[in-house]
Amino acid sequence: EAGVTQFPSHSVIEKGQTVTLRCDPISGHDNLYWYRRVMGKEIKFLLHFVKESKQDESGMPNNRFLAERTGGTYSTLKVQPAELEDSGVYFCASSQDIKGSTEAFFGQGTRLTVV
Amino acid sequence: AQSVTQPDIHITVSEGASMELRCNYSYGATPYLFWYVQSPGQGLQLLLKYFSGDTLVQGIKGFEAEFKRSQSSFNLRKPSVHWSDAAEYFCAVGQRGGGNKLTFGTGTQLKVEL
Repeated sequence: EAGVTQFPSHSVIEKGQTVTLRCDPISGHDNLYWYRRVMGKEIKFLLHFVKESKQDESGMPNNRFLAERTGGTYSTLKVQPAELEDSGVYFCASSQDIKGSTEAFFGQGTRLTVV
Repeated sequence: AQSVTQPDIHITVSEGASMELRCNYSYGATPYLFWYVQSPGQGLQLLLKYFSGDTLVQGIKGFEAEFKRSQSSFNLRKPSVHWSDAAEYFCAVGQRGGGNKLTFGTGTQLKVEL
């Protein structure tokens, strides 16, 4: 069974450009989470989808970030326009059970560098 | 608001020696507690979790952790470290009923000397 897959693994863009990150969760997992780790800091929650609906987007830093999950399958996270402080590693995770009693499986992350 | 503190940024141990990574949390009730590991080029992998019951939790790869409510701690231990254990380790706390919305610590980088 395939795990959580993220594309691309690395992205280097210039300030002001747009970048779209993609996450393919494990098949059948209704819950999808985005997290971000800025260099040297903790991994921080961004948002949570249940199927195609945003359950919790309290961690989204500002309106330059747009997450979608059309059809409740894969998800995209778009940053437009990118700023230097958006650099970091973006993780996606998926799980079956919203109660948290089941494991969340993480992808390998997308390393975003804004120059 | 909940928080997690991992006071050690780096730890170096010799292969075969024991290790303990510290984790302290702040949470108003009994939390869900997790330890994840990230090896180079890999995603985060769950080592173990505590939800309730026995406060000594066994995980994969020979790891264990003990929940100590009085100390608000959930330290990770391994009696004999292998070179392949070199990685970054993250402690995390989750809310009961909050799904997998986790609050992570800043991580501890474990180096293993041969």
